[in-house]
Amino acid sequence: DQQVKQNSPSLSVQEGRISILNCDYTNSMFDYFLWYKKYPAEGPTFLISISSIKDKNEDGRFTVFLNKSAKHLSLHIVPSQPGDSAVYFCAAREGGFKTIFGAGTRLFVKA
Amino acid sequence: SQTIHQWPATLVQPVGSPLSLECTVEGTSNPNLYWYRQAAGRGLQLLFYSVGIGQISSEVPQNLSASRPQDRQFILSSKKLLLSDSGFYLCAWMERGFNQPQHFGDGTRLSIL
Repeated sequence: DQQVKQNSPSLSVQEGRISILNCDYTNSMFDYFLWYKKYPAEGPTFLISISSIKDKNEDGRFTVFLNKSAKHLSLHIVPSQPGDSAVYFCAAREGGFKTIFGAGTRLFVKA
Repeated sequence: SQTIHQWPATLVQPVGSPLSLECTVEGTSNPNLYWYRQAAGRGLQLLFYSVGIGQISSEVPQNLSASRPQDRQFILSSKKLLLSDSGFYLCAWMERGFNQPQHFGDGTRLSIL
């Protein structure tokens, strides 16, 4: 049973445009959500997070939106750059210890 | 600043051989430690986590075990590897407290022949 779902395996975007990566979850008890970026043969790198008491968090080009009623979160990257091409993982946590990850979405940013 | 070291980067082992992957964290004390596995085309599966020395929680029944002999050292082991143990293994650490992100090592690519 996948508690965190990233239904789009891949996404292709033109450089300079907006990239929108989506994530759905089923556990209403999740209280902290994270996005990670991963290059091949490397570990995931933390990008941005959001607590369940917020609906938006912004850090430079990256913004995460949380819609608790829909159990949906999204990551917006504006403007997209070729260096953003990577696999993006959505993750969620209930309480303090265990983080559940989605399967990832591969983003291609075309120059 | 905190750093995490994981080795080896790649490993090729025959079926039935033992395994030991090591992970160490520097620059922090009493972190939560984690082992994940990423199978090809899949997400990150949590294998083990530890909240202190000698304390190990297992998430999935499997052929692997974990140990935490020191505060900032986390070891993933197996007595006899199976073909299904192939994958990309990642160690991660996290500061104590709520709403903290996990930080990952660079991973070990394990191939079983």
